[in-house]
Amino acid sequence: DVKVTQSSRYLVKRTGEKVFLECVQDMDHENMFWYRQDPGLGLRLIYFSYDVKMKEKGDIPEGYSVSREKKERFSLILESASTNQTSMYLCASSPGDNSYEQYFGPGTRLTVT
Amino acid sequence: AQSVSQHNHHVILSEAASLELGCNYSYGGTVNLFWYVQYPGQHLQLLLKYFSGDPLVKGIKGFEAEFIKSKFSFNLRKPSVQWSDTAEYFCAVNARGGGFKTIFGAGTRLFVKA
Repeated sequence: DVKVTQSSRYLVKRTGEKVFLECVQDMDHENMFWYRQDPGLGLRLIYFSYDVKMKEKGDIPEGYSVSREKKERFSLILESASTNQTSMYLCASSPGDNSYEQYFGPGTRLTVT
Repeated sequence: AQSVSQHNHHVILSEAASLELGCNYSYGGTVNLFWYVQYPGQHLQLLLKYFSGDPLVKGIKGFEAEFIKSKFSFNLRKPSVQWSDTAEYFCAVNARGGGFKTIFGAGTRLFVKA
């Protein structure tokens, strides 16, 4: 079974703090994704990566950056957290073939106060 | 730009009722289509997918979906729901040849009364 793990299930941070969300997958997948999930808005893509050190902006990259130094690990960074970044953050991975099916982690519920 | 529209945000059904969740997408080219499900407290997981071939696809737990190209639709169906189907359902579209970006709908929360 593909396993995608996220470093924290719940996180509370203060406005202005730098926040790191980590994601690790164990299936040697080429592609990794970060989404935020908000009620009524579904999943919105923040960034994705199709290879080590490669990244592409998604639909809502503002206020976020990412890092992929190793194939299995994809980090999401909030340089200066703001209250409007309070959300559920989901990491996903998918193989590099043509399946496009994504495997999701359990999510991190981030609250910025 | 691609978009995915799910018609119902909240659906409440009694057990044994039939289910149909609507999904329409906007993209003129060839697409890969997915339904994902998120049960309470669990990961988002794939329910079923369509890439090519028979437009009626069957997934896990008795779910099926029909791709109607002329209507840009990929509706999810189940003839008889169970209490355990209570979950949030997301339709998703990937434009073939458009890379790995997948667009998700806003989701439909289904509540099944026992």
